[in-house]
Amino acid sequence: QKEVEQDPGPLSVPEGAIVSLNCTYSNSAFQYFMWYRQYSRKGPELLMYTYSSGNKEDGRFTAQVDKSSKYISLFIRDSQPSDSATYLCAPSPNAGGTSYGKLTFGQGTILTVHP
Amino acid sequence: NAGVTQTPKFQVLKTGQSMTLQCAQDMNHNSMYWYRQDPGMGLRLIYYSASEGTTDKGEVPNGYNVSRLNKREFSLRLESAAPSQTSVYFCASANYGYTFGSGTRLTVV
Repeated sequence: QKEVEQDPGPLSVPEGAIVSLNCTYSNSAFQYFMWYRQYSRKGPELLMYTYSSGNKEDGRFTAQVDKSSKYISLFIRDSQPSDSATYLCAPSPNAGGTSYGKLTFGQGTILTVHP
Repeated sequence: NAGVTQTPKFQVLKTGQSMTLQCAQDMNHNSMYWYRQDPGMGLRLIYYSASEGTTDKGEVPNGYNVSRLNKREFSLRLESAAPSQTSVYFCASANYGYTFGSGTRLTVV
């Protein structure tokens, strides 16, 4: 069993739709949960991160973590064509700093938002 | 602010050839990483360096070597390239959160 599982999609939605992207994980030591966005032919960039269970909102994006079920979600409201990208979840036991460890990434979900 | 710079951006090698992928960061980060990205496999860690002078194997280290030349630079070497090493290679550095380079697209024929 992989440590992080993510449905690779692809996912295609019309502009304005609500998008739900999901990951499951198996390591109970994960405390920090990050989402990266990767545009075609670019490197991933950090989109959001949350700590422990709960929700975090940033504009049209909401990250949700349920540690009891080891389930991570990213919601995109009012999706735009510019949101078309691959989204990768990345849980970690560490927050960062000099003790920052290696991240384990999900496979990534390819999202296309069409006008 | 350059962030993480990778060179080259594209490379085609013949089986058995060697090459070094270069990575440099200007953010004074201690940790640096090399990942490869393949369709359906996501990002897989090859090697990482938690600080200057240290390197450790990741998930898929076979066929690769690394050098942490100084705090800024972390290179990845393929001694004898194989078609299975055809991939997109990403370097990253980290403090709070990862910063990735733009990648090197490598094809081994």
